Amino acid sequence: GAGVSQSPRYKVAKRGQDVALRCDPISGHVSLFWYQQALGQGPEFLTYFQNEAQLDKSGLPSDRFFAERPEGSVSTLKIQRTQQEDSAVYLCASSSTGQPQHFGDGTRLSIL
Amino acid sequence: EDKVVQSPLSLVVHEGDTVTLNCSYEVTNFRSLLWYKQEKKAPTFLFMLTSSGIEKKSGRLSSILDKKELFSILNITATQTGDSAVYLCATLSYNTDKLIFGTGTRLQVFP
Repeated sequence: GAGVSQSPRYKVAKRGQDVALRCDPISGHVSLFWYQQALGQGPEFLTYFQNEAQLDKSGLPSDRFFAERPEGSVSTLKIQRTQQEDSAVYLCASSSTGQPQHFGDGTRLSIL
Repeated sequence: EDKVVQSPLSLVVHEGDTVTLNCSYEVTNFRSLLWYKQEKKAPTFLFMLTSSGIEKKSGRLSSILDKKELFSILNITATQTGDSAVYLCATLSYNTDKLIFGTGTRLQVFP
C-alpha cells in the first residue's frame, strides 16, 4: 500500500481483556517499529523487527506485551490482561535500510 | 541515559510570524537527528540531519544541526494556520534503529 496502515483506529476494552493491534507496513520495508504515545508526550519505543526477527524488545513495559511479525510483513502487537495505564496511542512505523521511518495513523486504545 | 529535550513546549503566534523550535540531545553513538510534524494522526517526516552545519530546506521550513553543541533548530518562516501542529525531534544512534523522541513543541498559528 501507499502508507503504513494500522487497525483498528480506535479500540475500547475493559480492564483485564486481551487486545490485538495490527500494522501493515509499506511494501518492501524491511524494518518495522512499535511506539507508545501517551497524551502530551513524544512516542516511546516499544520494539522493532528486521524482517521476521525481533531485534530489540527492550521498550516493552511488561511481559503482558507481545509482538510478532511471522512472515516479515504484517505485525501484531498483543496486550494481555490490559490495565488502565495501557491507555495510549500505539504507533507503528516502517522503513527501508538507512531511510527515515514512516508512521501509521496509530491505534487509540482506551481501557475502561 | 539518552535524552532529547525540546523547547519551548508550546508556542502561539500569528500568521506571518517566523518561529524557531529548539532540540538538544545527549545521546551515545549519535548518528542522525530527525524532525517530524504531528497533527491529529501520524507523525510525518520533515528532515533528517546527519552532518553538522548543513542547512536542509523545504519551502518555508529549514533545519540545521550542530554536533559540537548537540542541538538542532527548526525554522518556519511566514507561518500559516496549516503549520499548527506538534513538532517532534528524534535521534538515531549507530547501535540501534530505534528513535528517541523529545516531548514535542506544540505550535499554534492564529489568523
